[in-house]
Amino acid sequence: SQTIHQWPATLVQPVGSPLSLECTVEGTSNPNLYWYRQAAGRGLQLLFYSVGIGQISSEVPQNLSASRPQDRQFILSSKKLLLSDSGFYLCAWSVPRKFRFSYEQYFGPGTRLTVT
Amino acid sequence: GNSVTQMEGPVTLSEEAFLTINCTYTATGYPSLFWYVQYPGEGLQLLLKATKADDKGSNKGFEATYRKETTSFHLEKGSVQVSDSAVYFCALASGGAQKLVFGQGTRLTINP
Repeated sequence: SQTIHQWPATLVQPVGSPLSLECTVEGTSNPNLYWYRQAAGRGLQLLFYSVGIGQISSEVPQNLSASRPQDRQFILSSKKLLLSDSGFYLCAWSVPRKFRFSYEQYFGPGTRLTVT
Repeated sequence: GNSVTQMEGPVTLSEEAFLTINCTYTATGYPSLFWYVQYPGEGLQLLLKATKADDKGSNKGFEATYRKETTSFHLEKGSVQVSDSAVYFCALASGGAQKLVFGQGTRLTINP
């Protein structure tokens, strides 16, 4: 069966510090991968998605970036955090288009980021 | 473009009450529809789905029917429990889209 991991689970960082959040998926090959942010009490905002190694699509211009160095690894980064970057960050995966007959995404446990 | 609209929350009910959370959508073609649930401090879990008109998705006592004529996918449960307290998201995927479109979420609180 497939599992998705995110770490760290919680993180407190000062303004201006760098950020690296990691997401890995087990039990599947060539998944689509997604990063979402959820601000307190609000809905989901899609930040990035990837359909393959080195292929990143950005949904919202901001000071975050994403990379996919390996097939099942997805990293969210920032060089300098802002207060507004605080939130709950969720990684998700879905079956690649060529194999799919449905479009659901499966989410990781999330990382709670507080920028102080 | 594609969009999903959910009923405004928060929704507060007593245990064993009947639940309806409304969801309507706008989409081209024939979208797949989903309900996700998010318990406090956790990621989203797929609750149920429907991939074509008149399909009924069901899981854990929850049901939703894909109504193309009214472009709706309302979530229902006959008797809610305290453990159902969570945020519920309606979502759709259309055509060959790589992305899901989510509603804004509805917070549900069940009191004993």
